[in-house]
Amino acid sequence: GAVVSQHPSRVICKSGTSVKIECRSLDFQATTMFWYRQFPKKSLMLMATSNEGSKATYEQGVEKDKFLINHASLTLSTLTVTSAHPEDSSFYICSAGRTSSGRGYEQYFGPGTRLTVT
Amino acid sequence: KQEVTQIPAALSVPEGENLVLNCSFTDSAIYNLQWFRQDPGKGLTSLLLIQSSQREQTSGRLNASLDKSSGRSTLYIAASQPGDSATYLCAVRGSGGSNYKLTFGKGTLLTVNP
Repeated sequence: GAVVSQHPSRVICKSGTSVKIECRSLDFQATTMFWYRQFPKKSLMLMATSNEGSKATYEQGVEKDKFLINHASLTLSTLTVTSAHPEDSSFYICSAGRTSSGRGYEQYFGPGTRLTVT
Repeated sequence: KQEVTQIPAALSVPEGENLVLNCSFTDSAIYNLQWFRQDPGKGLTSLLLIQSSQREQTSGRLNASLDKSSGRSTLYIAASQPGDSATYLCAVRGSGGSNYKLTFGKGTLLTVNP
């Protein structure tokens, strides 16, 4: 159990266009979802935390107008990179959290989306 | 601000060796600690989760220990195999449960040579 999927797995887009990435918790309901960005040989950087039905909380330095997050339901969150530029090229990973007996609160991670902006 | 450090940054061993990966964190007020595995171009797979009240967790050939007071955790891999080659990430969650975010180390890149 506790599977998180992301779509697409990789996307190439032209500079100036927008790209939407979907994150789904397949077999559980996630009250909170997280979006991370990972640069080569760097640790994961949390971009934002979203709760179902409310506005996302963005980390310092992350432009909320550029990285639009929508958490429409307990199983779906989307990240839209607006007016993408080459510097937005990166590996984006989503995560969904839940509390279970015996393990407390835990996050489950999706397989990631490789975004390349040309 | 919590900081997580992993040593070594990279490790190369021959198949069959036992090995230890190290993780240290600056703020001992943690909720739990997790070890993840990441294959190139892939997402994270959770290996072991240790609650703040626990000292260790075991899964197969993996054993993770936690010394919260000294801010250290180790991941022990027994009888390493080429399939164990991956990046291993340590992450700590601050105390307070879901209100606190995970802080990741930069990872240890493990290569197990046949």
